[in-house]
Amino acid sequence: EEQLVESGGGLGQPGGSLRLSCAASGVTFSNYEMNWVRQAPGKGLEWVAYISNTGTSIYYSDSVKGRFTISRDNAKNSLYLQMNSLRAEDTAIYFCARDRKLVSWGQGTLVTVSS
Amino acid sequence: EIVLTQSPGTLSLSPGERATLSCRASQSVTSNYLAWYQQKRGQAPRLLIYGASSRATVIPDRFSGSGSGTDFTLTISRLEPEDFAVYYCQQYDKPTITFGQGTRLEIK
Repeated sequence: EEQLVESGGGLGQPGGSLRLSCAASGVTFSNYEMNWVRQAPGKGLEWVAYISNTGTSIYYSDSVKGRFTISRDNAKNSLYLQMNSLRAEDTAIYFCARDRKLVSWGQGTLVTVSS
Repeated sequence: EIVLTQSPGTLSLSPGERATLSCRASQSVTSNYLAWYQQKRGQAPRLLIYGASSRATVIPDRFSGSGSGTDFTLTISRLEPEDFAVYYCQQYDKPTITFGQGTRLEIK
């Protein structure tokens, strides 16, 4: 059974950094594109970043471009999101999701940015 | 960027009724790369429909999608109690994915 499990969330300081991870199992991870999607408390879904299966194509939303970096390690079946220069508006649940049509999702990890 | 506008914002219906949710795009979504998701409180979203009209795995056939170009519809033929949730449309045509703002389907 396919499973995506996010980790690394928590309290981050404004201007600080956090690194999120997403561990995949039950699927040939290296075959699939991956995304990060976030949801601020009580709000809708916002796409954050995309990475192709080989890591050669990467896209970001304008709201995180230049601050966040998506990466993957296919040998470890893992996806990452390095979040720098954190802002209060980055507070959200962060989900990893497989494929461009977001076929499967993890349960999310909560990031709170506050001093 | 393709902007997706969903209507209505909230839909109040009773179990057994038919639900029709709309998603309008600011420009044509080529190849009908349009998906619908259901999200229940405290849960991750779940893919219902992709390619505008193809049901995802294990999605009941009371859910159907239609439309093309800029106008898309999600229809739930007969509402079950578990269908009351928030629904989002999403385009994956462009490299930068976008979502609609969601439609809340509530029990009348």
